Amino acid sequence: GAGVSQSPRYKVAKRGQDVALRCDPISGHVSLFWYQQALGQGPEFLTYFQNEAQLDKSGLPSDRFFAERPEGSVSTLKIQRTQQEDSAVYLCASSLGGQEVSYEQYFGPGTRLTVT
Amino acid sequence: GENVEQHPSTLSVQEGDSAVIKCTYSDSASNYFPWYKQELGKRPQLIIDIRSNVGEKKDQRIAVTLNKTAKHFSLHITETQPEDSAVYFCAASMGHRYNFNKFYFGSGTKLNVKP
Repeated sequence: GAGVSQSPRYKVAKRGQDVALRCDPISGHVSLFWYQQALGQGPEFLTYFQNEAQLDKSGLPSDRFFAERPEGSVSTLKIQRTQQEDSAVYLCASSLGGQEVSYEQYFGPGTRLTVT
Repeated sequence: GENVEQHPSTLSVQEGDSAVIKCTYSDSASNYFPWYKQELGKRPQLIIDIRSNVGEKKDQRIAVTLNKTAKHFSLHITETQPEDSAVYFCAASMGHRYNFNKFYFGSGTKLNVKP
C-alpha cells in the first residue's frame, strides 16, 4: 500500500520567506510526528498529533514554526520568516496509534529545505 | 528529557565480517528501542526493534540486545554485505498504547562494508 508521502521533496527559500511543507500519512494512522534532521545528524522531534489534536509541540524551535492537522489526516508544517539555520530535512512519520499496540513509526522521504 | 548516545560514528568492515553498533539512553522510563537504516537521500526504514520486556531479538542476520540495568542496547549485523552500507540510527521511546511518544534518536553510525 501507499506509504507516507511528503511534498515538496526539495524547497529552496530566500531568507525571510514563508514555507509550507505537506505530509500525507498512511491512511488510518492516528499518530503523526514531525522531525527535523540536520546534515549528518539524527532526526530531532518537533511536534506530535493524535488525530487533529496537537498533543506535543515541545520540539518546535521557535514561534516561527507552526504545524496543523485540521481533519486528522494531512498535516502541514509552516515556517515563517525562514532563517539559514532552518535548513534541514523535515521528516514526517505516522503510526497506527489508537487501540492497536503498535509503536512503529513509518517515515516519509522528507522535504529538504535550503534557505539561502 | 531522554538523551541517546550512539557510537561509533563511522564503522568500516570487510564483507562477511560482523558489525556492532552501541547506544546508551538516560531515562529508565524508555521502553521501546527501534533501529532504523537510512540510505543516502532516502527515508529511514525500520530494520528491527525491541521492547523493554525482552533482552534479545533476532531477524536473520540482524540482532538487537538490550540491557535495562545498564541502559544500553546494541545492533549486531552478521555476515555483512555491501548492501548493508548505510547510516544506522538507534532511538528510544516511552511509547504506550494510546499516546505514542516521540522518538529520541542517536546521532547515527555510518557503516561501510568493503567488498
